[in-house]
Amino acid sequence: GENVEQHPSTLSVQEGDSAVIKCTYSDSASNYFPWYKQELGKGPQLIIDIRSNVGEKKDQRIAVTLNKTAKHFSLHITETQPEDSAVYFCAASKGGGYQKVTFGTGTKLQVIP
Amino acid sequence: DVKVTQSSRYLVKRTGEKVFLECVQDMDHENMFWYRQDPGLGLRLIYFSYDVKMKEKGDIPEGYSVSREKKERFSLILESASTNQTSMYLCASSLPRNNEQFFGPGTRLTVL
Repeated sequence: GENVEQHPSTLSVQEGDSAVIKCTYSDSASNYFPWYKQELGKGPQLIIDIRSNVGEKKDQRIAVTLNKTAKHFSLHITETQPEDSAVYFCAASKGGGYQKVTFGTGTKLQVIP
Repeated sequence: DVKVTQSSRYLVKRTGEKVFLECVQDMDHENMFWYRQDPGLGLRLIYFSYDVKMKEKGDIPEGYSVSREKKERFSLILESASTNQTSMYLCASSLPRNNEQFFGPGTRLTVL
């Protein structure tokens, strides 16, 4: 089955700096790569996703890049703010009707004011 | 707004008890999921359902069963709770085919 590895497990950055979280996946048939943010005491929430037919997607301060050849994808957060502090999960899916998604192990991001 | 609710935020049970975790979604989603979340292990899929009365095993189904009698409700059952089932349990729902999963707030289950 699919295996998703995520690094680093923890990340501390100064407010205003950039943060990068990297993931690799094993199944070349995967074609959908969402990123979720989990704030304390809440369930994960989708913040951005990318499909295999594009290499990069941006939404304000958040961007995701995908390298299908190398089977890795990354989340980039620019101009970090304290409210970006949370646990971030990458995920991969092969799609189809049943949409089974495999999650990474999570990155705890701390933005220091 | 899509809303996924879980019956309890915190639950304490004893070893051997039968435990029911309930999840309800209000957006008429076909797909529903149960995950457990443990530190350093991320989210691991226990079971999912793509239609009423349909279910599929996820990656860690041992010790669990599920029930989906109505489209909006997906129940996770621990037939005989064990201490290694102490965890955070998250329910989610989605439309079919690579769409956003909407998560509930989670149930933190402690088995003593």
